Amino acid sequence: DTEVTQTPKHLVMGMTNKKSLKCEQHMGHRAMYWYKQKAKKPPELMFVYSYEKLSINESVPSRFSPECPNSSLLNLHLHALQPEDSALYLCASSPREGANNQPQHFGDGTRLSIL
Amino acid sequence: AQKVTQAQTEISVVEKEDVTLDCVYETRDTTYYLFWYKQPPSGELVFLIRRNSFDEQNEISGRYSWNFQKSTSSFNFTITASQVVDSAVYFCALSLSGGYQKVTFGTGTKLQVIP
Repeated sequence: DTEVTQTPKHLVMGMTNKKSLKCEQHMGHRAMYWYKQKAKKPPELMFVYSYEKLSINESVPSRFSPECPNSSLLNLHLHALQPEDSALYLCASSPREGANNQPQHFGDGTRLSIL
Repeated sequence: AQKVTQAQTEISVVEKEDVTLDCVYETRDTTYYLFWYKQPPSGELVFLIRRNSFDEQNEISGRYSWNFQKSTSSFNFTITASQVVDSAVYFCALSLSGGYQKVTFGTGTKLQVIP
């Protein structure tokens, strides 16, 4: 079991649907991250939240909308996605932003398929 | 810009064999951090080791060992007496020091341990 919990594990949605991915950690970490990982590729950073504020947006299309309701939760709202958005979406957390000597703890990911 | 190269795309070994996964990195900074992560088929990225650029001591953890050589910009990972449970994709990664620095992942090496 991981210390970062992601739900759902699998999600299939149409291009017109609206859905949300959820991520939760109870390690007291103050930095949380969303990554996108295509098959046979390394993870690509999408967003970083630091102390519940959006710190980094890696030029992600607006059809992906992150939200950090509190220090333990991170959501990724999805709307009008494209087939090329099908991927594994990984959430991670670390003790604080800037602590790059501290490893990020990853969840199991959500496997997203866009029809 | 930083770069991490994992030249071995896929490796297959027979159980109980030793295997070394190569990692070569590029950075102009003198302070940086190197990581290895394991990604089993379940999807989660599992942190294995962190090493800072000033610590060139090799490390051993059970069947795992790491050889960090700044002279060749390499951070290789050896699994001794491999087991089927070691089958996974292994990512080498690098981040710089100072503020938030994006983690640069290598392209990963898929290791298959055959019983």
